[in-house]
Amino acid sequence: TQLLEQSPQFLSIQEGENLTVYCNSSSVFSSLQWYRQEPGEGPVLLVTVVTGGEVKKLKRLTFQFGDARKDSSLHITAAQPGDTGLYLCAGAINQGGKLIFGQGTELSVKP
Amino acid sequence: GAVVSQHPSWVICKSGTSVKIECRSLDFQATTMFWYRQFPKQSLMLMATSNEGSKATYEQGVEKDKFLINHASLTLSTLTVTSAHPEDSSFYICSARRDSENTEAFFGQGTRLTVV
Repeated sequence: TQLLEQSPQFLSIQEGENLTVYCNSSSVFSSLQWYRQEPGEGPVLLVTVVTGGEVKKLKRLTFQFGDARKDSSLHITAAQPGDTGLYLCAGAINQGGKLIFGQGTELSVKP
Repeated sequence: GAVVSQHPSWVICKSGTSVKIECRSLDFQATTMFWYRQFPKQSLMLMATSNEGSKATYEQGVEKDKFLINHASLTLSTLTVTSAHPEDSSFYICSARRDSENTEAFFGQGTRLTVV
């Protein structure tokens, strides 16, 4: 059973378009992280959200944590080819507990 | 800060031999480190949780005698793939936490293992 459902799993868009990636669960998370991974490298932490309803912005990326802390979204505005990569959400049910990863979203932004 | 270094970044070994992968936290002490396996274009699969000075906790289905984990210090954990076979070929990634209360994890650059 996948505790953290991430969608879509694949996304191919044109430069300049907007997109949203979703992570959903029936479990409540104490915190949730978003990572970006390029081929042959380890994931790089983008953001951590801990408070229900929290919104964080990182340039063209907007991250939101659901009010009930069961879901999160990543919205990219005006996507660029440099945004291409594998985006992963990961959450911890307990503070200090192991991270549970979503399936990942393979994003391809074409010029 | 929060740099995790993994070595080697790639390794090719013969079937039946053992391979050791190192994971170091360079600028912080990590009481907990994690080892993952990742297949192409897929998410990370947790193999085990490694706590300094104690035995690793393995996830269901992961053979502890095949994937030996040692966490001898607060900055170093090692994963040894014993008697490697071609099906063990994969991308192995470690991560480390700065403290037990913080769930943020910082990842190494990964090790591409190819068993021939």
